[in-house]
Amino acid sequence: GQQVMQIPQYQHVQEGEDFTTYCNSSTTLSNIQWYKQRPGGHPVFLIQLVKSGEVKKQKRLTFQFGEAKKNSSLHITATQTTDVGTYFCAGSPTSGTYKYIFGTGTRLKVLA
Amino acid sequence: ETGVTQSPTHLIKTRGQQVTLRCSSQSGHNTVSWYQQALGQGPQFIFQYYREEENGRGNFPPRFSGLQFPNYSSELNVNALELDDSALYLCASIKYNEQFFGPGTRLTVL
Repeated sequence: GQQVMQIPQYQHVQEGEDFTTYCNSSTTLSNIQWYKQRPGGHPVFLIQLVKSGEVKKQKRLTFQFGEAKKNSSLHITATQTTDVGTYFCAGSPTSGTYKYIFGTGTRLKVLA
Repeated sequence: ETGVTQSPTHLIKTRGQQVTLRCSSQSGHNTVSWYQQALGQGPQFIFQYYREEENGRGNFPPRFSGLQFPNYSSELNVNALELDDSALYLCASIKYNEQFFGPGTRLTVL
């Protein structure tokens, strides 16, 4: 079946350092979403990417969707302690539906 | 907050029992998805309901079933509970392709 993998599984950074997580799907995606889940919390929607090669920015966060629509990345510039949590990508294999396959997640710890 | 509520917050059951979990969607959201999230893993898609009809299903056995009501609230029912069913169960109401997750129900099966 379709799989969505993320690397790295864990990342510890010093506050102020940059952080990147990569998401790879075994099949082409219609669109991809990114979520943040704080410890003990629930996933919170960050953004959706739809177009091949799309790049979107939200303050210190930069999201990219690969040209082949099979991979994506999230980059955080100058991490802060509030960035702590697990970041998930979620890919939709089929256009026009809301069924998403979540990635394995990257757990970020930021050391002050 | 997302405006999506789930009940109960926590639940302990024994193997073989049945459980019903509930979700109230945001007003006007006619699509809801249910996910199972085991500890340390990403959410796994169980199924989705659109206007009271099942609109897709993940790789879960038939003992996982659901309902969506006219007010778009929904239920997840699990029969013949197994130890591996212990997880956080999340519902997400959907509008304009954005998923709004509830706080989840933590189910422990002993």
